[in-house]
Amino acid sequence: EAQVTQNPRYLITVTGKKLTVTCSQNMNHEYMSWYRQDPGLGLRQIYYSMNVEVTDKGDVPEGYKVSRKEKRNFPLILESPSPNQTSLYFCASNADYNSPLHFGNGTRLTVT
Amino acid sequence: RKEVEQDPGPFNVPEGATVAFNCTYSNSASQSFFWYRQDCRKEPKLLMSVYSSGNEDGRFTAQLNRASQYISLLIRDSKLSDSATYLCVVLTGANNLFFGTGTRLTVIP
Repeated sequence: EAQVTQNPRYLITVTGKKLTVTCSQNMNHEYMSWYRQDPGLGLRQIYYSMNVEVTDKGDVPEGYKVSRKEKRNFPLILESPSPNQTSLYFCASNADYNSPLHFGNGTRLTVT
Repeated sequence: RKEVEQDPGPFNVPEGATVAFNCTYSNSASQSFFWYRQDCRKEPKLLMSVYSSGNEDGRFTAQLNRASQYISLLIRDSKLSDSATYLCVVLTGANNLFFGTGTRLTVIP
């Protein structure tokens, strides 16, 4: 089954404790991206990647890092999480920039 | 001005009704348009792409009006299962994706 898999689904952590949210896709897509969704603000792009070793900032990259060492994986790293990063996060992939996005099932992060 | 704007609703309609949502975009160079459906606390799922000539998929019809810079989604014969938030997504240039904040639809028995 074609899918984007994110883990974990739920995460509660404390300020400053580094964490990683994993994302993997099995569709051989070139593009992968991360979004956060907050009430009233909609989905906002954090980072995206056009291919292995090629990443670029989205609209809200501050406080986040990504890497794309393999085509199928695109982890999101929060080196020092803060409460304002409490949000619902989605990973997505698409075949090319013009194609529809396929989303993972989301990670609900709470930073206390 | 926001890149993409949607009426947040909520739209509460009875079963069987026809309902339409609009989504306006600000950049006339926008090139691709999509409607996604999002159920509460779940991931957005592609409902349909929007083509220049308009397109239909069962009870759903999407249209694009480039002159007035909006896309629309029409749902005929609403079902209870159509209750969800509908997001419009606009692509402008390489990887410049803009999401609307969503229109919430509740279909009432």
